[in-house]
Amino acid sequence: QKEVEQNSGPLSVPEGAIASLNCTYSDRVSQSFFWYRQYSGKSPELIMSIYSNGDKEDGRFTAQLNKASQYVSLLIRDSQPSDSATYLCAVNFGNEKLTFGTGTRLTIIP
Amino acid sequence: GAGVSQSPRYKVAKRGQDVALRCDPISGHVSLFWYQQALGQGPEFLTYFQNEAQLDKSGLPSDRFFAERPEGSVSTLKIQRTQQEDSAVYLCASSLGLAGNTIYFGEGSWLTVV
Repeated sequence: QKEVEQNSGPLSVPEGAIASLNCTYSDRVSQSFFWYRQYSGKSPELIMSIYSNGDKEDGRFTAQLNKASQYVSLLIRDSQPSDSATYLCAVNFGNEKLTFGTGTRLTIIP
Repeated sequence: GAGVSQSPRYKVAKRGQDVALRCDPISGHVSLFWYQQALGQGPEFLTYFQNEAQLDKSGLPSDRFFAERPEGSVSTLKIQRTQQEDSAVYLCASSLGLAGNTIYFGEGSWLTVV
């Protein structure tokens, strides 16, 4: 069974600080990794994808991938109240479908 | 269309009733996915189409669930004899059709079985 694990939270971070979200996955041959943001009552929205080891930055968001440790993370710099949402880690295990974690609920405290 | 469109957005069904949920993917997207999301959980894969071919239906929870995409565009997820445990958001998603491509989600169909 190929799995994606996330801490469900809730994770509370003061406004302006860095929020760090973590995800581990079970299969070393996984090729592509995604972070989705989901506001309450809304559908998941892609915010980052990463395919190779290292860091990928997009604005205030940085995705970090370590395939040897089977670990992917998302950093949100200068956290804003609008970043409060559930963050879903998703992994493509070599076919087209994505396997999701349960999500981490993030709250930014003004 | 501009995005993945799903209907109905909200459906209340009496236990034992059949329901049909429709998905209209992004124009030109070859792959179409159905996911089920229970409250407080991540989306769980149900089934996947490439054009009209259903390539993976390993996530369908029982034989009461059936999906089709007869012309390779619009898809319908049908749930027969609904049970309370079927209450969830049913998310449709589409992608261009290559492994690793971004998958875009619709707004979901919220099903409540009473």
